[in-house]
Formats: sequence, C-alpha cells, structure tokens
Amino acid sequence: EVQLVESGGGLVKPGGSLRLSCAASGLTFTEAGMNWVRQTPGKGLEWVGRVKSKRAGGSTDYAAPAKGRFSISRDDSQNTLYLQMNSLKIEDTGVYYCTTGVPEGGYWGQGTLVTVSS
Amino acid sequence: ETVLTQSPGTLSLSPGERATLSCRASQSVSGNSLAWYQQKPGQAPRLLIYAASSRATGIPDRFSGSGSGADFTLTISRLEPEDFAVYFCQQYGRSLFFGGGTKVEIK
Repeated sequence: EVQLVESGGGLVKPGGSLRLSCAASGLTFTEAGMNWVRQTPGKGLEWVGRVKSKRAGGSTDYAAPAKGRFSISRDDSQNTLYLQMNSLKIEDTGVYYCTTGVPEGGYWGQGTLVTVSS
Repeated sequence: ETVLTQSPGTLSLSPGERATLSCRASQSVSGNSLAWYQQKPGQAPRLLIYAASSRATGIPDRFSGSGSGADFTLTISRLEPEDFAVYFCQQYGRSLFFGGGTKVEIK
C-alpha cells in the first residue's frame, strides 16, 4: 500500500520560513516524479511545484507564486520529499499535500496545515 | 495557464441515481491528460480516472470518464452511499491545474 505522510506544518509569522517533509513508502520512490500541491481558502487546489526522478534528470519546476521563495528537493536514500518555504506570506496559508505524478498512480498524502499569521 | 471550470458546484442526488459532473478547460487539454479525483473530509484525494477515460486500479466500474479536447465528464452510474464526496478534475503534464470541485451531496 502506498503511503505519503507529510509533516512540518505549523504557525509561522509573515516573512518566516518552514520546511515540510513527505515520507513515502510502498512505491519505488527513486523512480517517481513528485509534486507539492496546496489547498488554500482563496484559490482552492494549486500546484506548487515538482521534482523529477533522478533518472528523468532530477530537475525542478515551480508555479509562479513559488518561484524564488520555495525550493523542492528529495532524498532518495530516505524516500523523503522536501519543500523549503522562505519569505512566507499570509496567502501561503493552506494545507500542503505531496503527490506522485498521475503516471505513478496519482497518490496523495493527507496534508499538513501551514498557517502564516502575525 | 489553463483554467478548469467544474459544474455544477453542488449536486444533490439520492443513492441509486446517476451523477454527471462536468469539467471544461479554457484551452484544449494536450493528450487528454485529464484526471478525476474523489476527496472525502479528512482523507487524501483518491485517483479515479486518468487519461480522461481510464479507470485507476481498484476503481469500481460505476465510475466512468469521457470527453476530449476541452470538455470532459465524470459519470457515476448509480450512486452508492460512499460516493457522496467532493470530486475535482486535474490537468497534468508539464504543470498541474485543478478545477474548483463539485460536491455530490445526499438529497
């Protein structure tokens, strides 16, 4: 059974930083392209960015709101995906999910809540 | 950027009835790379349909997807009690885009 478990969410002040983790099991993580998706009160579901598998080049892509502030990385030895978020804004508040690509089965975790508030 | 518009926002139906959900894209979806998910409160979304009409592993055959280009439909032939949930469509590929969701509620 595929499991994706996010952690690291919490309350942070505007301008602060947070690092989210996603622990994966039940899939060949090294071969999976991975995404971060968020669900915010203002915009609903919104893609944050992705990292390809090492075999596919390991490159990252980001949605416009995340560029320059967020960074996605992966540790294949630990089957873990990361999202480093800097310069956080109030509008970044929401539930953050890690997901596999659709070709890999379209699996999602249950999400971790990030609240940006002073 | 592709905008996915789902309709209706809420569908009120009884168990055993047929549900028809629509997802319309602002531009043609390349390769029919359109997926449907089910989301229940407090649970992870579950992939139902990919490539517009292919059922994901373990999904009952009462769920079917159709459409091409910019217009797509998810049909639930006979609603079971466990099918009352929120459904959203997703375009996948270089970027991901999501519809706003349709809530299927018990009438």
